[in-house]
Amino acid sequence: DAKTTQPNSMESNEEEPVHLPCNHSTISGTDYIHWYRQLPSQGPEYVIHGLTSNVNNRMASLAIAEDRKSSTLILHRATLRDAAVYYCILRPPNNNAGNMLTFGGGTRLMVKP
Amino acid sequence: EAGVAQSPRYKIIEKRQSVAFWCNPISGHATLYWYQQILGQGPKLLIQFQNNGVVDDSQLPKDRFSAERLKGVDSTLKIQPAKLEDSAVYLCASRGQGLNSPLHFGNGTRLTVT
Repeated sequence: DAKTTQPNSMESNEEEPVHLPCNHSTISGTDYIHWYRQLPSQGPEYVIHGLTSNVNNRMASLAIAEDRKSSTLILHRATLRDAAVYYCILRPPNNNAGNMLTFGGGTRLMVKP
Repeated sequence: EAGVAQSPRYKIIEKRQSVAFWCNPISGHATLYWYQQILGQGPKLLIQFQNNGVVDDSQLPKDRFSAERLKGVDSTLKIQPAKLEDSAVYLCASRGQGLNSPLHFGNGTRLTVT
């Protein structure tokens, strides 16, 4: 499986935008880029996904580089409730294991008031 | 819609004892996953079911771990006998139809083996 590289941790101030980077230089042309986050003492939750074009939803925006070797999750105004571990995951469209997700270590986002 | 339910929330056992975890996925979700998350690490897939059939159990330590989903709905994960290194959070997730439908996770069972 193609791997992703994320910083171990990042800090942000409350109500400021946050850009969480992810490198995936070995991404294949059909891999989708998924982001999940895990709040303390909870299971991971889906944030957003994309293939080539930038994507927006109520939680965040996903900016995908033109060569698809990197992507950035954007939280437009961080709140204290956004403090979590954010996982960037590549998901093949139809892998033999049936579309499981392989998690890396993620980025721990700390939000300061 | 109701989320993925897991129980118990916490469990403490001694090594060599056995333990079982229960998961009730979101109604209608055919795909169910069990993940193990050791403190400070990302979740690691143990087993994936499609209805009541196993899709992938390549990372399940089959000498001590077992899982079943007899009627294609609820699932149980069992460890027998437990080792100290099994201390972790065990997460259950389910997924609906569609290639990129998201996984919905429960809040997990935190297992401590002493």
